[in-house]
Amino acid sequence: AQSVAQPEDQVNVAEGNPLTVKCTYSVSGNPYLFWYVQYPNRGLQFLLKYITGDNLVKGSYGFEAEFNKSQTSFHLKKPSALVSDSALYFCAVRLLNFGNEKLTFGTGTRLTIIP
Amino acid sequence: ETGVTQTPRHLVMGMTNKKSLKCEQHLGHNAMYWYKQSAKKPLELMFVYSLEERVENNSVPSRFSPECPNSSHLFLHLHTLQPEDSALYLCASSQAGAAGANVLTFGAGSRLTVL
Repeated sequence: AQSVAQPEDQVNVAEGNPLTVKCTYSVSGNPYLFWYVQYPNRGLQFLLKYITGDNLVKGSYGFEAEFNKSQTSFHLKKPSALVSDSALYFCAVRLLNFGNEKLTFGTGTRLTIIP
Repeated sequence: ETGVTQTPRHLVMGMTNKKSLKCEQHLGHNAMYWYKQSAKKPLELMFVYSLEERVENNSVPSRFSPECPNSSHLFLHLHTLQPEDSALYLCASSQAGAAGANVLTFGAGSRLTVL
């Protein structure tokens, strides 16, 4: 069975500092990894994905994520946090040869950027 | 707007009521999904329709009944719900089978409260 762990329910970062939101995964095969963000009173929005290739993936709003196969991690990062980055972030995983009906989400990490 | 519209945004119902949630996507996608979002839990996939046929039903209680009359519309019919069914219900769509794509586009959700 595949799974995703987001070990931190809450992450607080000062504005202008770098931020990291952690995600580890477990799948029996090649993973297809995603980050989604949910702003208040909105649905989830796609941020970025990793399929194959370069381990550093760049996405929307200046976010990037690094795929680390040996550590089975896919941490979300941004060099300089903005107050507008405050939101709920979800990591998700599925196998390459399956559709979204097999997509597994984490429990989410609430990111708060402190002015 | 994300291209996926959900109505109503908020719904309060008694345990004996019958109501429906509606989802409409304007993206030309051919797969639609219902998810349940509860605090501090992973998103729970409830139903998937691909090309208007149901392809996934994750042991959802029969008090939830989906309907997909065409590729643009998805309904979730609710009857004799329980208080623990109170949650945010998210609709999503995607283009099934599209190589390298397959990201989900979510609606803003319907916040359901069962009294």
